[in-house]
Amino acid sequence: QVQLQESGPGLVKPSETLSLTCTVSGASISSYYWSWIRQPPGKGLEWVAYIYHSGSSYNPSLKSRVSISADTFKNQFSLELRSVTAADTAVYYCARWDGTGSFYLDFWGQGALVTVSS
Amino acid sequence: SYELTQPPSVSVSPGQTASISCSGDNLGGKYVSWYQQKPGQSPVLVIYHDTKRPSGIPERFSGSNSGNAATLTISGTQAMDESDYYCQAWDSSFVVFGGGTKLAVL
Repeated sequence: QVQLQESGPGLVKPSETLSLTCTVSGASISSYYWSWIRQPPGKGLEWVAYIYHSGSSYNPSLKSRVSISADTFKNQFSLELRSVTAADTAVYYCARWDGTGSFYLDFWGQGALVTVSS
Repeated sequence: SYELTQPPSVSVSPGQTASISCSGDNLGGKYVSWYQQKPGQSPVLVIYHDTKRPSGIPERFSGSNSGNAATLTISGTQAMDESDYYCQAWDSSFVVFGGGTKLAVL
């Protein structure tokens, strides 16, 4: 069974960088597509980015501030979001697409709440 | 950028059929997935590739997609189906979610 676990600071100051890591078990991150999705309190889901063995893709509305990377040795992938504001306060989920057909997310982490506040 | 539109809320009586729509330009030409999310929980995939159910998802969940709209149908709706539902599509390597629909089982 594939399991994903988000980790990182729960509080980030405005203008600083939000950093999160997703640790994967039960699947190699060298295979498949791995994604970040966020959900502001009381609002809907917003795709942030995904990474795969030969590339990555970013939400155009966040592209200038976002980076996604992978560490195959640790079987982890990470998210960095720069110059954060209160609007970036959200639960951040990591999730997997198995790469077949068209994009869908079959395994999700439990989510990590990140609050942007001074 | 591509957009998906869902009704904010849908209500259904227990045992009846619930239909949740998701509209987008030429959506029928793309594959649609649906997720169920209960309060305080992570989303769960209930339909992918328009009509396929992951293992463990009850048969009462089904999907369709044609023209400019996709539909998630829940037959014999149960109280446990009361949740938020999100559609999702993939367009030009970008992932798009609908705004979500709150399903009330009254």
